[in-house]
Amino acid sequence: AQSVTQLGSHVSVSEGALVLLRCNYSSSVPPYLFWYVQYPNQGLQLLLKYTSAATLVKGINGFEAEFKKSETSFHLTKPSAHMSDAAEYFCAVKPNRGSTLGRLYFGRGTQLTVWP
Amino acid sequence: DTGVSQDPRHKITKRGQNVTFRCDPISEHNRLYWYRQTLGQGPEFLTYFQNEAQLEKSRLLSNRFSAERPKGSFSTLEIQRTEQGDSAMYLCASSLGQNTNTGELFFGEGSRLTVL
Repeated sequence: AQSVTQLGSHVSVSEGALVLLRCNYSSSVPPYLFWYVQYPNQGLQLLLKYTSAATLVKGINGFEAEFKKSETSFHLTKPSAHMSDAAEYFCAVKPNRGSTLGRLYFGRGTQLTVWP
Repeated sequence: DTGVSQDPRHKITKRGQNVTFRCDPISEHNRLYWYRQTLGQGPEFLTYFQNEAQLEKSRLLSNRFSAERPKGSFSTLEIQRTEQGDSAMYLCASSLGQNTNTGELFFGEGSRLTVL
């Protein structure tokens, strides 16, 4: 069974500090991987995705993530946090690359708080 | 606004009542998904449509739940004889065929159900 583990349900950083949100997946074959962000009272929005091209993926708002097959990880980072980054972040996996279905498996989410 | 829209945004009902949620996907998207999100959890897949055909249903979708997409455009999710455990945010997402190969979904803002 596919699973996604997000370490840390809450992460707090100061404005300007490094943001690191952790995601590990379980899959026998490297899947497609995604990070979605959910701002209060809004729908989930795609932040970035890995689809087997470059292992370092750049997304919106200065976020990036690196796919590490040996560690089965896809951690999300941002060099300098901004107050507007406060939101909930979800890691998701699409396990079957050959499938035309779009079913995603989501982690439990990490709530990011940014202190002034 | 040409995004995914859901209605109602909030629904409070008494246990045992029936409720129906509507989702209008992005107009050119042929694929539509329903997910459920409870507090502290990531979105969980419920069901998926390609055009009007319901192609996949999760075990989470008990026989009290039914979803339709009669003309391949909007979709409805009905819950009969609601239970307190049905309290959750119901998310709708859509995608265009080719985007589904990489799993990118576009989410609505969700319909929050509270069962008293």
